[in-house]
Amino acid sequence: RKEVEQDPGPFNVPEGATVAFNCTYSNSASQSFFWYRQDCRKEPKLLMSVYSSGNEDGRFTAQLNRASQYISLLIRDSKLSDSATYLCVVIRPADYKLSFGAGTTVTVRA
Amino acid sequence: DVKVTQSSRYLVKRTGEKVFLECVQDMDHENMFWYRQDPGLGLRLIYFSYDVKMKEKGDIPEGYSVSREKKERFSLILESASTNQTSMYLCASSSSHETRGPDTQYFGPGTRLTVL
Repeated sequence: RKEVEQDPGPFNVPEGATVAFNCTYSNSASQSFFWYRQDCRKEPKLLMSVYSSGNEDGRFTAQLNRASQYISLLIRDSKLSDSATYLCVVIRPADYKLSFGAGTTVTVRA
Repeated sequence: DVKVTQSSRYLVKRTGEKVFLECVQDMDHENMFWYRQDPGLGLRLIYFSYDVKMKEKGDIPEGYSVSREKKERFSLILESASTNQTSMYLCASSSSHETRGPDTQYFGPGTRLTVL
């Protein structure tokens, strides 16, 4: 089983819609998580950290479900500029290295 | 502003060539990382370094080596390039947090390497 798994999508949504997707992780001892955003042909950039039960930053909400070992990202009022691949990242508790999911692609259409 | 730079955006090499990928960060970060990114596989850690002259293997170190002679510079070396090393290579750096370990990673723009 992969350490971090994501639905690759793509999620195609109209502007203004809400889109949500999950990321599952295999190590129940994992404590820290990130969502990174990667635009086409660009480097990943930190979107938000998820250290406790969840986090909210403007239109973006990340939630952590420890019992089921997944984190989710919800984007409200989608903008065209939200089109990107969203990478789920889990810090491995044994060595603090980062494990990356393969990414979920979101396309927001006008 | 945080900055990580990589020596080349695109590189084409032949099988068997020795390849050097350079990464420089200007944030005085202790930690530096080399990843490769392939479709459907996400980012996979090749090597990382927590200090000058210090290196540790990541998840897929075979066929690669690294060098960190100065704090700001971390080099990835392909001793004898092979076609299966065609990939996007991303360098990253981070500082360290006392209790949670490595902090946010900042990535360079990536080097798209093609081995023919």
